Amino acid sequence: EAEVAQSPRYKITEKSQAVAFWCDPISGHATLYWYRQILGQGPELLVQFQDESVVDDSQLPKDRFSAERLKGVDSTLKIQPAELGDSAMYLCASSSQQGGFRETQYFGPGTRLLVL
Amino acid sequence: GESVGLHLPTLSVQEGDNSIINCAYSNSASDYFIWYKQESGKGPQFIIDIRSNMDKRQGQRVTVLLNKTVKHLSLQIAATQPGDSAVYFCAEMAGTASKLTFGTGTRLQVTL
Repeated sequence: EAEVAQSPRYKITEKSQAVAFWCDPISGHATLYWYRQILGQGPELLVQFQDESVVDDSQLPKDRFSAERLKGVDSTLKIQPAELGDSAMYLCASSSQQGGFRETQYFGPGTRLLVL
Repeated sequence: GESVGLHLPTLSVQEGDNSIINCAYSNSASDYFIWYKQESGKGPQFIIDIRSNMDKRQGQRVTVLLNKTVKHLSLQIAATQPGDSAVYFCAEMAGTASKLTFGTGTRLQVTL
């Protein structure tokens, strides 16, 4: 069964350092999402890509966060500089949807970030 | 493993019993709903979905009911097993966006 891959699974960093997370969606999935999940809460969308284009980054803290999906396949989410409040699980999801159709989003295992 | 949620509503059921997990949503424009299961330290796992033109949908051991009048969604798990222990989230989608908005989550504990 095809799965969304993410790495690393865990990351510990000190505040003010840079961190990067990688995601490889299910093959053929055009839409890719990055979510952040704070302990005890549901995931919240940070950014959505349709192929290589950003569709929604309204909730992405752009002063420190950046995301790219250069070839429309895998994606990288970066934080620079990291702050204590960034400690969370960062989840990647993908769906096959094109346009406005409703399609299931499948999640990867996530990257647990701890900022010290 | 680490806990997904520390202060979530908790439902305790005995192994073999049926479980019902409820979710209220507020956006009357939501037209697509998904239930996810999240085990400790893992990403959300798709369980079942339902579109707003349906009231009920069944899967393997799971049933989702949608009541649009009162904006309520429920997940029924038949013959609950220890492996069903996890946090369950409902998520909704509305309008032209494909962003999922997640509910609070409910922790299901299965006792032997």
